[in-house]
Amino acid sequence: DAGITQSPRYKITETGRQVTLMCHQTWSHSYMFWYRQDLGHGLRLIYYSAAADITDKGEVPDGYVVSRSKTENFPLTLESATRSQTSVYFCASSGAGSGPQHFGDGTRLSIL
Amino acid sequence: SQELEQSPQSLIVQEGKNLTINCTSSKTLYGLYWYKQKYGEGLIFLMMLQKGGEEKSHEKITAKLDEKKQQSSLHITASQPSHAGIYLCGADNGNKLVFGAGTILRVKS
Repeated sequence: DAGITQSPRYKITETGRQVTLMCHQTWSHSYMFWYRQDLGHGLRLIYYSAAADITDKGEVPDGYVVSRSKTENFPLTLESATRSQTSVYFCASSGAGSGPQHFGDGTRLSIL
Repeated sequence: SQELEQSPQSLIVQEGKNLTINCTSSKTLYGLYWYKQKYGEGLIFLMMLQKGGEEKSHEKITAKLDEKKQQSSLHITASQPSHAGIYLCGADNGNKLVFGAGTILRVKS
């Protein structure tokens, strides 16, 4: 089925480790986004991308790295994980910068 | 930067009752989106409102945009257990959206 898929769905890792969260969409949407969702903070934008090879920082980009070599993929990497990065991460895509975004099911990441 | 405030933060309603969730923006609203989220799942897009005074309905859910008040409301008629979840509003903010903190809805049967 067409859509947006995130992997893994659950991940446990240790502080200092590198971890990559994957996001793949089949709609050929130009825009892709990474959010984290935490109690008391709602959804906060980490990074977004308007097209392949174009990325921009969001509200909380520190400690994260993104790349977008292909339109359909937008991986998010935590280069040296910290406990404060324990969260639920959502990837989304949209055909335009303004307009409804379509979300994946999320990755629940725990950093011990 | 634009901020969205949702009220109430949470509510519990008896099945069959009506309810309203509000979303108030700190700046002029150019596009307002309502999403629903079930626990452990992603956000499901419900409706988009773009014009002042616009009203849209989907099944028993109606959303309105009051541009002058920089506010949107989501109204559920005759609530059902299937309506339970977290409702989030989002607003256009350049090439991206800014979201409210969400309203947790529980429906007692």
